Amino acid sequence: DAKTTQPPSMDCAEGRAANLPCNHSTISGNEYVYWYRQIHSQGPQYIIHGLKNNETNEMASLIITEDRKSSTLILPHATLRDTAVYYCIVSGQGAQKLVFGQGTRLTINP
Amino acid sequence: DSGVTQTPKHLITATGQRVTLRCSPRSGDLSVYWYQQSLDQGLQFLIQYYNGEERAKGNILERFSAQQFPDLHSELNLSSLELGDSALYFCASSVTPAPGAVGNTIYFGEGSWLTVV
Repeated sequence: DAKTTQPPSMDCAEGRAANLPCNHSTISGNEYVYWYRQIHSQGPQYIIHGLKNNETNEMASLIITEDRKSSTLILPHATLRDTAVYYCIVSGQGAQKLVFGQGTRLTINP
Repeated sequence: DSGVTQTPKHLITATGQRVTLRCSPRSGDLSVYWYQQSLDQGLQFLIQYYNGEERAKGNILERFSAQQFPDLHSELNLSSLELGDSALYFCASSVTPAPGAVGNTIYFGEGSWLTVV
């Protein structure tokens, strides 16, 4: 699985959009980008995934660059409950496990 | 609620002892994964089972073992416990054994806190 690089921490004001970057320059053609988050030692929670097109669901939007070497997770209107560690994971069809890095600790400030 | 149930939620035991952590996957999920999360390490993959068979093994110690039963629930057995085994143990499940496959979202339970004293 391709390695990902994320900033260790970020802050965002409540009500603003939180933009979390992820670099995955060694991603291969059949690998997807997945985002999970972990709120204070709870089980990780799936957010969204994408291959090359931008994706949006009820939780977030995922913007993947045209060369697929980086992506940005967008929480459009961050709330205090969005404070969590966010993990960007690259995984292909044949992978047998998700490999979690250190993630980005996002703090939403009132 | 992810639908993955783990018991016990908290467990305190002494060094040298043996414990069993239990996991019930989401209804319809055939694959079960175990992860360990300690303070100084991130989420570490331990082992995966699919429909009763071991499919993938990660950084699982020889003192640890797991199995998946015909009813698809899984147990993680930790023996000869050491202080360093204190951690949060997560179980996760998915429909197929390919976590990277589209549509095969992995759902995590709330974890079992193990403290070894």
